[in-house]
Formats: sequence, structure tokens, C-alpha cells
Amino acid sequence: DVKVTQSSRYLVKRTGEKVFLECVQDMDHENMFWYRQDPGLGLRLIYFSYDVKMKEKGDIPEGYSVSREKKERFSLILESASTNQTSMYLCASSPRGGVTEAFFGQGTRLTVV
Amino acid sequence: SQELEQSPQSLIVQEGKNLTINCTSSKTLYGLYWYKQKYGEGLIFLMMLQKGGEEKSHEKITAKLDEKKQQSSLHITASQPSHAGIYLCGANGSARQLTFGSGTQLTVLP
Repeated sequence: DVKVTQSSRYLVKRTGEKVFLECVQDMDHENMFWYRQDPGLGLRLIYFSYDVKMKEKGDIPEGYSVSREKKERFSLILESASTNQTSMYLCASSPRGGVTEAFFGQGTRLTVV
Repeated sequence: SQELEQSPQSLIVQEGKNLTINCTSSKTLYGLYWYKQKYGEGLIFLMMLQKGGEEKSHEKITAKLDEKKQQSSLHITASQPSHAGIYLCGANGSARQLTFGSGTQLTVLP
């Protein structure tokens, strides 16, 4: 079974802190995605990566950065956390090419106080 | 980017009733996915549709993609409390980017 693992289920951070959300997949997938989910807004794509060291902005990249140094790991970084970044963050991965399903992690619920 | 509109935003049905959720795209869909999410958890893949007119079923859930590949529907027959959750449609707008609709919150009353 494909497994996508997010490092934390729940996280509480203070405003201004630098926050790292980690995601690891074990199926050698090329594509990895970070989304945030808010009530009434669905899943919004923050960043995605289709190869090591490659990244592309999604729909809402402001306030975030990402890192993909290894194929299996995709990190989301909040450079200076703000209260409007309180949200559920979901990581996903999928194999390269064509139309294929994405596999999701369990999500990290981040609260910024 | 691909824009997906889902309707309704929320749905409350009595156990045993049928229901339909719709997903409409502003662009041609190259791949359309349906996922289900239990509250506070990750997304579980349900079905994927690619071809115009395609229809797939799994247990009591049927998904269809219209001939023009711009609209999909998810139909649940004889709903049960276990069907409750958030249903999301997702699509590949470009080869790599995967975007989602805003979701439909389904409540099934016993």
C-alpha cells in the first residue's frame, strides 16, 4: 500500500515562528503536493513538485516556501507563521505522467496563536 | 488553473434516500477524481474517470463523466450513515497540477 506520512497530526505554533511541515512517501512517486483546507474553500494548492529540487507555485503560495532535497520528502515551510495560516494542511503524492490518482497523508491541523 | 465548482455545498438526507453531487469544470477535464474525507482526516480515493461518457460504480456509489468532459456527477443509492463525510472532486488541469472543488458535506440521518 502507498503510504504518505505527515510528521504531525496537530501542531500549535506562535505568531512569527518558522514552521516546518514534513511529508514522506514510500512509493517512489515523482509528484508531490501541498494543500491547505479551510471550511467552504475546499482544498487549495499551495505548491507542488514534480522532481527533486523542482517546485512550482500553486494557487496560494504567498507566505509559504517548499523544499524537495530527496524524492521521498517534501517539506512545507511557513517562514513567519501568522494566524491566517491556521488551517488543515494536506500532503499528497502521485506517479509521473498521465492521469493517475493522488495519495494523501492524514493531514496536519496547524493552529497559530 | 482548473476551476471546479461543486454543488450542493452541503446535503442532509434520511438514511435510505438517494442523492447526487455535481462537479462542473470551466475547462475540459483530462482526468476527474472523486475522493471522500472523514472529518479531520486525509482523503480516500473513490474513483477516477477519463473518457467522455464514462461511468464507474463501486458498491452503492456511481460516478459519471459527461460526453463533453466538463461535468461529473456522483450518485449514492440507498444512503447509509457510513456514507457521511465530505466528498471532493479533483481534476488534472495540466499534466501535473491537481486541483479540487470546494467539497460537499454529506450528512445521513439514521
